[in-house]
Amino acid sequence: TQLLEQSPQFLSIQEGENLTVYCNSSSVFSSLQWYRQEPGEGPVLLVTVVTGGEVKKLKRLTFQFGDARKDSSLHITAAQPGDTGLYLCAGAWNTDKLIFGTGTRLQVFP
Amino acid sequence: GAVVSQHPSRVICKSGTSVKIECRSLDFQATTMFWYRQFPKQSLMLMATSNEGSKATYEQGVEKDKFLINHASLTLSTLTVTSAHPEDSSFYICSARGLRRKNTEAFFGQGTRLTVV
Repeated sequence: TQLLEQSPQFLSIQEGENLTVYCNSSSVFSSLQWYRQEPGEGPVLLVTVVTGGEVKKLKRLTFQFGDARKDSSLHITAAQPGDTGLYLCAGAWNTDKLIFGTGTRLQVFP
Repeated sequence: GAVVSQHPSRVICKSGTSVKIECRSLDFQATTMFWYRQFPKQSLMLMATSNEGSKATYEQGVEKDKFLINHASLTLSTLTVTSAHPEDSSFYICSARGLRRKNTEAFFGQGTRLTVV
């Protein structure tokens, strides 16, 4: 079974704090994506990483793909209440299928 | 990004009836569509993958006779929950990938909240 484990599962922080979310698998990904989902809506794509060691930045969000392409991290700098949501990593293993991670629920308090 | 529209956004049905959910790609041709279900406070679980013009491929544990998927055109896929029961209540989400999308990039519909009473 191809599993993507995310940690932490839940995260509650104050506005202005930094945080990192991790996504790990025992398998090698061909590509990995990060999504953010709000209640009652579909996930919205944040970034796609493909190359081992790749780092991508999206404003205050930094995404890193592990050298071995088995893990990834999402770092948020100076979190804001608007960052609140469910963060999901999703990986593909040279197939059409996109398998989602277990999810990290982030709550940022003002 | 590409637009994927899912309809209806919410549906309540009686136990034993069937419900059809539509997923449309509005500005691109979707060669592959995926159907997921999501229980409260959980991640998305892939149910099936459908390619236009061919039978859907179901994930282990998903009953193909209960969750009928049709992908008759490059812009429309439907999921029909047959003989629905309360345990089928969930959030169903489709995603679509097109011909020119890089890697496995897919775009998601807004989801359908199904409640079976």
